[in-house]
Amino acid sequence: DAKTTQPPSMDCAEGRAANLPCNHSTISGNEYVYWYRQIHSQGPQYIIHGLKNNETNEMASLIITEDRKSSTLILPHATLRDTAVYYCIVRVVRTGNQFYFGTGTSLTVIP
Amino acid sequence: DAGVIQSPRHEVTEMGQEVTLRCKPISGHNSLFWYRQTMMRGLELLIYFNNNVPIDDSGMPEDRFSAKMPNASFSTLKIQPSEPRDSAVYFCASSPQAGGQGASGYTFGSGTRLTVV
Repeated sequence: DAKTTQPPSMDCAEGRAANLPCNHSTISGNEYVYWYRQIHSQGPQYIIHGLKNNETNEMASLIITEDRKSSTLILPHATLRDTAVYYCIVRVVRTGNQFYFGTGTSLTVIP
Repeated sequence: DAGVIQSPRHEVTEMGQEVTLRCKPISGHNSLFWYRQTMMRGLELLIYFNNNVPIDDSGMPEDRFSAKMPNASFSTLKIQPSEPRDSAVYFCASSPQAGGQGASGYTFGSGTRLTVV
């Protein structure tokens, strides 16, 4: 699976949009981009995933660049409860290919 | 749906003792995964099962660790004998399809915090 690079930490003001970047310059054509987050003391939680097109769900939006070498997770109106570690993972979706988590970005939402 | 259920939530044991962690996956999920999380190493995949069969245990750190899945609704991770360096949070996750192709990928449990003294 392609390696990902994320900033180790970010701050965001409550109510503002949080934009979390991820670089995956070695991504291949059949690899998806997944985002998970882990709130302190809890198990990781799925947020969103995509292949080429931008995606949006009730939690967040995922913007993938045209060359697919980077992506941005957007939390449109960050709340204090969004304070967590956010993991960007790229992987081929097939049997035997599992999720491997890196170090992620620690997002702190500031009141 | 109660989600993935792990027990116990916390376990404190003495070095050398046997420790058994338990996991009940979401009903209907065919794949089950055990992860370990420490500050130093982050989240590590230990082993995963597909249809109750262990598929890849290359992440299991050593022979002291063993995992079983006797049926579709129950799995155990055993450490015997336990050592202080095994102290970590152990997560279980399940997925409706092998490899986590489902839209939500994995669903994780709340974890078991193991402390070996």
